Amino acid sequence: DSGVTQTPKHLITATGQRVTLRCSPRSGDLSVYWYQQSLDQGLQFLIQYYNGEERAKGNILERFSAQQFPDLHSELNLSSLELGDSALYFCASSNSGRDYNEQFFGPGTRLTVL
Amino acid sequence: GDSVTQMEGPVTLSEEAFLTINCTYTATGYPSLFWYVQYPGEGLQLLLKATKADDKGSNKGFEATYRKETTSFHLEKGSVQVSDSAVYFCALSRGPGGSYIPTFGRGTSLIVHP
Repeated sequence: DSGVTQTPKHLITATGQRVTLRCSPRSGDLSVYWYQQSLDQGLQFLIQYYNGEERAKGNILERFSAQQFPDLHSELNLSSLELGDSALYFCASSNSGRDYNEQFFGPGTRLTVL
Repeated sequence: GDSVTQMEGPVTLSEEAFLTINCTYTATGYPSLFWYVQYPGEGLQLLLKATKADDKGSNKGFEATYRKETTSFHLEKGSVQVSDSAVYFCALSRGPGGSYIPTFGRGTSLIVHP
């Protein structure tokens, strides 16, 4: 158990809909990262937050947004969903804004868009 | 930009065989290098890391040496077990002066037969 929790574990929705994925980092970790894992694209970094502020952006679509709250949990919002958004979404946390520290990954949310 | 290239899988071995999974990278400066492992149905977890040239990371019988001259960080294990069956990801990240965006390889699936 990494100490990172993600909800829900599975999510099935339709095209055009909007969903919210939630992540609680390990106790004491200030940095949260979001990743998308799909068979054809591999593991793609989406975005990083550090202590409530956006720190780095990767391959995140404009339809996607994220935020980190004062209690350090984070939410990833996916809107106008398309079939291609079906993937595993991972959250990871670390205890520093510097990404060369170890990241602790949650179990993931499997999103299926029908 | 930064990139990580791993050998394509799956790698299929018999129990007690020797394992090598190749990883090479492209990055400016002096990145830190990591191997993460993903067991079926779980998130990624750090297996080992090395933060400077000639460092050797090791854990659970796995080893990898940071070779700056060949820009490589190959993963090795002398005798694999069925329980080592998983997907292995090579990754790099750059500290001060770097982009702070972590870069992962596409992953190499390892299947170990009894």
